[in-house]
Amino acid sequence: DSGVTQTPKHLITATGQRVTLRCSPRSGDLSVYWYQQSLDQGLQFLIQYYNGEERAKGNILERFSAQQFPDLHSELNLSSLELGDSALYFCASSVGGYVQETQYFGPGTRLLVL
Amino acid sequence: EDKVVQSPLSLVVHEGDTVTLNCSYEVTNFRSLLWYKQEKKAPTFLFMLTSSGIEKKSGRLSSILDKKELFSILNITATQTGDSAVYLCAVGVTGTASKLTFGTGTRLQVTL
Repeated sequence: DSGVTQTPKHLITATGQRVTLRCSPRSGDLSVYWYQQSLDQGLQFLIQYYNGEERAKGNILERFSAQQFPDLHSELNLSSLELGDSALYFCASSVGGYVQETQYFGPGTRLLVL
Repeated sequence: EDKVVQSPLSLVVHEGDTVTLNCSYEVTNFRSLLWYKQEKKAPTFLFMLTSSGIEKKSGRLSSILDKKELFSILNITATQTGDSAVYLCAVGVTGTASKLTFGTGTRLQVTL
């Protein structure tokens, strides 16, 4: 158990809908990272927040957005969902905001878009 | 574009064998290379390497980085069925887009 929690575990929804994934980092960690893992693409970095501010952006679609709240939990919002958005979404956290730090991954949210 | 390539894609070995997994990279502003093990769910951290030639070791697992040739290897000796997993390599880069770029992984299956 990494100490990173994610809810929900599974989510099934229809195309065109909007969903929110939630992540709570390990106690004391200020950075939260979001990743998407699909069968054909591997693990793709989406976005990073550090202490409430966006720090780095990866391959995140415009239909997706994220934020980190004052209590450091983070939410990833996915809208106008398409079949291709079906994937495992991981959140990870680290103490600071630097890539030389270890990132600890949560158990993931499996999203299925029908 | 930053690239991380792992090989082989998949391998099956017998318990007790030694395996070597490879990770090569082409990135701008290299900062670190990390190895993760992914079984059913979340990747779990194994090693972080930032300096060339210094072996990191944890039990039967070890890893080394070559920053000149831009690759790393992960060795697992005396493999056990519990080592069956996908092993992910990730490279951290700094700059305006500090991030980890992951390879697609090597799927290892250890059979009795």
